[in-house]
Amino acid sequence: KAGVTQTPRYLIKTRGQQVTLSCSPISGHRSVSWYQQTPGQGLQFLFEYFSETQRNKGNFPGRFSGRQFSNSRSEMNVSTLELGDSALYLCASSARQGANYGYTFGSGTRLTVV
Amino acid sequence: LAKTTQPISMDSYEGQEVNITCSHNNIATNDYITWYQQFPSQGPRFIIQGYKTKVTNEVASLFIPADRKSSTLSLPRVSLSDTAVYYCLVGGSGGYQKVTFGTGTKLQVIP
Repeated sequence: KAGVTQTPRYLIKTRGQQVTLSCSPISGHRSVSWYQQTPGQGLQFLFEYFSETQRNKGNFPGRFSGRQFSNSRSEMNVSTLELGDSALYLCASSARQGANYGYTFGSGTRLTVV
Repeated sequence: LAKTTQPISMDSYEGQEVNITCSHNNIATNDYITWYQQFPSQGPRFIIQGYKTKVTNEVASLFIPADRKSSTLSLPRVSLSDTAVYYCLVGGSGGYQKVTFGTGTKLQVIP
């Protein structure tokens, strides 16, 4: 079956702009989590959505937001981009909430802010 | 979720067995232990999961002692393609948990 699909794979944006990233989970998976990964900070949890509701949020400013649609696809948005937002953004899907069920990650979106 | 501690890095020669240990002293009763592998510029990939004792699959073994306060991922006869970062994740079922990956262990396989 198809894996987790993230689009686009690469993105270059200018400071001050906004960006929207997309994640299509594995069919039947209802939980989608987002992570930011930078060389210095490792994998940082952004938020998790389950059944169109945000269930958890990490320690990121309000410029980072997300949503989940009825088909479980999810988007994350970053407004007023800063240079420090340059990172690999990963989404992970799971059949249910909880680390017990295992996460399947997408290949990520590499965002570069210039 | 239980906080995990792993060595930052390890080196191993090709063909050797590699054991990576993860400490999780405050593991909860219903928590499982899951290991992920990540290559550069890719998402982490599920390797193996266990609750207690020993679990083995086609790529690795997972050893969990009776007190479950630690776990050891064992990779038999590593090759250069096993060079990656390995993360240990401990967590249970249900919602409202911030899933936090630790720093991971960077394994470098040397020819």
